[in-house]
Amino acid sequence: GENVEQHPSTLSVQEGDSAVIKCTYSDSASNYFPWYKQELGKRPQLIIDIRSNVGEKKDQRIAVTLNKTAKHFSLHITETQPEDSAVYFCAAQFSGTYKYIFGTGTRLKVLA
Amino acid sequence: GAGVSQSPSNKVTEKGKDVELRCDPISGHTALYWYRQSLGQGLEFLIYFQGNSAPDKSGLPSDRFSAERTGGSVSTLTIQRTQQEDSAVYLCASSLRLAAGELFFGEGSRLTVL
Repeated sequence: GENVEQHPSTLSVQEGDSAVIKCTYSDSASNYFPWYKQELGKRPQLIIDIRSNVGEKKDQRIAVTLNKTAKHFSLHITETQPEDSAVYFCAAQFSGTYKYIFGTGTRLKVLA
Repeated sequence: GAGVSQSPSNKVTEKGKDVELRCDPISGHTALYWYRQSLGQGLEFLIYFQGNSAPDKSGLPSDRFSAERTGGSVSTLTIQRTQQEDSAVYLCASSLRLAAGELFFGEGSRLTVL
């Protein structure tokens, strides 16, 4: 079935350290993988995305890597700052449909 | 407005009552999605609409849930005979078109069923 697993569910890092969040998906034909950030009480917002024809994408302190063979993708945040504290969701768009299946989220806490 | 607008922002109802939640997508966006977010949980897909095509209703949890989109713009999610387990934040999102990438979410409608 359509499934996205996300780990860890919570992550605490010291300010300045790196954070990595990992997701796996079930449909090998999935072709689009976005990451959303949801601050407390706010709406989810897209922070970075990657398509299946690319292995890595960077945007300043944020990067996403995709391993199609293993069906997993990861979010990397370097030089973390307190404002990075939020819940992060990965998602996958499954083939044959246009719905996005989301992971269960990772609560990231950046400790000052 | 420039963003996705949802109303009401908060709704408290009694078990067994019907509720309607409204979503006004970004102008020009043809794809519209509904998701449910229970406390501390992820985003559960409910339904999506694309233009005049038949909606994908595969995520609706029971026949008490229904949604419509009139004129390709505003959408209404209706929950009949509400149950306590329906309590959640209902998020609407729109996209320029299906497979366009970014979903733009509204602030959500928080539903509490007593």
